[in-house]
Amino acid sequence: SQQGEEDPQALSIQEGENATMNCSYKTSINNLQWYRQNSGRGLVHLILIRSNEREKHSGRLRVTLDTSKKSSSLLITASRAADTASYFCATDKYQLTFGKGTKLSVIP
Amino acid sequence: GAVVSQHPSRVICKSGTSVKIECRSLDFQATTMFWYRQFPKKSLMLMATSNEGSKATYEQGVEKDKFLINHASLTLSTLTVTSAHPEDSSFYICSAGHPSDRETQYFGPGTRLLVL
Repeated sequence: SQQGEEDPQALSIQEGENATMNCSYKTSINNLQWYRQNSGRGLVHLILIRSNEREKHSGRLRVTLDTSKKSSSLLITASRAADTASYFCATDKYQLTFGKGTKLSVIP
Repeated sequence: GAVVSQHPSRVICKSGTSVKIECRSLDFQATTMFWYRQFPKKSLMLMATSNEGSKATYEQGVEKDKFLINHASLTLSTLTVTSAHPEDSSFYICSAGHPSDRETQYFGPGTRLLVL
């Protein structure tokens, strides 16, 4: 069964604004990862946060993890048109299990 | 480093034919490769885990005889869709585990299969 569920399903913002996407999952995990997918392309790994970590930063990306609520959030600050893509969370216990993704549109 | 390629990028075939998709790790050796299937506007569904030199491990509901996986070398895994039907039309994506970073998978660009 699908583990991660992203929220919202779609998000449209103006360039320069921040974008926040959420992910909820059901069972225990070793780590949670966020991936990005441009339309019709493969996935690009963005960031990994381990189950004993609460927050992690990478450039304009900030990921939080709340294992008590079984949820994670991905914040993209100062968004750019090039950030337009679908973003997936994936939980890793014995294998990667992907959510349905959030489609982000950044309007120039 | 950690580049994964797939070939072909898209393929159109007639119903009943077989299609082979290649997944290569270009600058590293991958003992494990993964094959996913993605329907439009949907998530990735793991089909099978491919280990070099051994039989692939298929997920529940994935037909082994329908989706043949061969991992003949540390840099190449192939997925063959046998006797393809229109319902097999989908986006197939492979990924590879890097030996120095076992937690991260590196994805290929995907193969769009359309069965007429």
